[in-house]
Amino acid sequence: DIQMTQSPSSLSASVGDRVTITCQASQDISNYLNWYQQKPGKAPKLLIYDASNLETGVPSRFSGSGSGTDFTFTISSLQPEDIATYYCQQYDNLPTFGGGTKVEIK
Amino acid sequence: QVQLVESGGGVVQPGGSLRLSCAASGFTFSSYGMHWVRQAPGKGLEWVAFIRYDGSNKYYADSVKGRFTISRDNSKNTLYLQMNSLRAEDTAVYYCAKDRSIFGVVGDAFDIWGQGTMVTVSS
Repeated sequence: DIQMTQSPSSLSASVGDRVTITCQASQDISNYLNWYQQKPGKAPKLLIYDASNLETGVPSRFSGSGSGTDFTFTISSLQPEDIATYYCQQYDNLPTFGGGTKVEIK
Repeated sequence: QVQLVESGGGVVQPGGSLRLSCAASGFTFSSYGMHWVRQAPGKGLEWVAFIRYDGSNKYYADSVKGRFTISRDNSKNTLYLQMNSLRAEDTAVYYCAKDRSIFGVVGDAFDIWGQGTMVTVSS
């Protein structure tokens, strides 16, 4: 199985800050990497697919980059409604998720 | 609108069985692969199983292989998960999710999710 290592596991930032989350795959997965947002008590929501493509309707402050084994997810200007846990997910092989990053407001 | 609605969750004893259903609407169900994903209380997401759009191929996580069976009825726009030999560690919210790629043969991104159904395995 391909392991996905996501960091940090949690972070606290101020409104307007730039927030960055990283995800590292245990082997080369090309660009087969997606990012999700999950708010408490809700189902996850797809934000980014194929490492860098913004899902329809998702605000442009969210972005993704990377290929191979190292990927980055960025919120360019943190908003109060962005409080959530974010997950990366690979699909080069059977899907696996990263451990998640809980984002809080400072 | 595009919607997935799960049902069938509940409390079951260890070693017992349960069948989950996921009713799809608002899209051409028979054209998309479908997944089950679960989340144990306070934990992260775990992919469970995938079925191809036509039901011809099925894939499972090692943690459920041999105990769970994914299936679908395209005439009823419904996805199923038959869970046998349930264990305490199967306790989780189970989500069904639509694969992003039309006629995809393997998993891709999960672009539509249901609200989830809770399964509790306890004596």
